[in-house]
Amino acid sequence: DAKTTQPPSMDCAEGRAANLPCNHSTISGNEYVYWYRQIHSQGPQYIIHGLKNNETNEMASLIITEDRKSSTLILPHATLRDTAVYYCIVETSGSRLTFGEGTQLTVNP
Amino acid sequence: DAGITQSPRYKITETGRQVTLMCHQTWSHSYMFWYRQDLGHGLRLIYYSAAADITDKGEVPDGYVVSRSKTENFPLTLESATRSQTSVYFCASSESRWETQYFGPGTRLLVL
Repeated sequence: DAKTTQPPSMDCAEGRAANLPCNHSTISGNEYVYWYRQIHSQGPQYIIHGLKNNETNEMASLIITEDRKSSTLILPHATLRDTAVYYCIVETSGSRLTFGEGTQLTVNP
Repeated sequence: DAGITQSPRYKITETGRQVTLMCHQTWSHSYMFWYRQDLGHGLRLIYYSAAADITDKGEVPDGYVVSRSKTENFPLTLESATRSQTSVYFCASSESRWETQYFGPGTRLLVL
């Protein structure tokens, strides 16, 4: 069974915040939430990860609900270069990543 | 240049031929990984290595062989290529099992 559920596609206007949801209702206490993205034809790129607290870095913010059953990746000011497939991954460590289908985010001018 | 590189970037071969895809990283990361990505699918782990001379199977290891004699290199060999192995292959590395992975640019392999 899939550990995460993401919408297959989303659109966002350039300059607006992009909020990408992820459901992980069966997450266990020692599993982290990782987000990667893959721009067309390139290798995946790490964005952010967290356990239970909200996290922010120079690329994005990660909001994890209190029950940890879902999370949201926020790109605060989306640009055209943020058009990519975004993967939400739940794993106990960064070494055993299972990539699902992800969400195709399209940022429109 | 520092980072993770893959060669060749593009390869066309024939069924039954042996093919080796190279992966090289300059960070001295302990962990290295091989994934394949097929059209319309996410990445699937083929093999990974926790250190030199230590390798382990991933989700789809059949038909592939790996070795890790040096920390910085992790070649992937298709001993007898099949058409079903036509794919994009990504190599990745990470400093430890808890750290994030850094991916190479990929090798696009076509088996005729």
